[in-house]
Amino acid sequence: EADIYQTPRYLVIGTGKKITLECSQTMGHDKMYWYQQDPGMELHLIHYSYGVNSTEKGDLSSESTVSRIRTEHFPLTLESARPSHTSQYLCASSPRQGGTETQYFGPGTRLLVL
Amino acid sequence: AQTVTQSQPEMSVQEAETVTLSCTYDTSESNYYLFWYKQPPSRQMILVIRQEAYKQQNATENRFSVNFQKAAKSFSLKISDSQLGDTAMYFCAFLPGGTDSWGKLQFGAGTQVVVTP
Repeated sequence: EADIYQTPRYLVIGTGKKITLECSQTMGHDKMYWYQQDPGMELHLIHYSYGVNSTEKGDLSSESTVSRIRTEHFPLTLESARPSHTSQYLCASSPRQGGTETQYFGPGTRLLVL
Repeated sequence: AQTVTQSQPEMSVQEAETVTLSCTYDTSESNYYLFWYKQPPSRQMILVIRQEAYKQQNATENRFSVNFQKAAKSFSLKISDSQLGDTAMYFCAFLPGGTDSWGKLQFGAGTQVVVTP
């Protein structure tokens, strides 16, 4: 069982609000990721990080931003939430090397923007 | 670019029976990893099994096993002795092994498995 945490688990918020989705892992993994999962269940990579002070945009364009100031912490921020941001957001992490590239996922945050 | 195809949107199986989920992928890479993840109604994404492309031996994890056919680019998952708790969406995922991939998992569209009593 992986030690990766996401808060909040559920969030209902009004349009225009700023929100931050938290993700933390205690495994010392260098790589961290954010995925967006739409109602059709398809997963899309929206952000990833190789390590501290490293962030990259993923394959799906997103209005969200991320930061990586500490190894264990990779928060995602939406400056102004919109109904189109309604989705499930999954955070994951993996070690940089060592023969295993397995990504371990957090429990997810379900976001509903009204 | 790699693509992952799961051609079965939904599969139903009775308890204690066996079900096989198909997955094919397209890549020009020679070194890569393949995974099966399950996502139960709780929406937690849980690793089921992983396979390194350079290993010919099929991975096994308790009741879960894979049939990895590298030449055919096929990676099927077999669930034996199905249990009600196996009800979940199952995702096949591909990860290139090169350092420039930086962990970009490519997921299939998923197969919903329903285990019935």
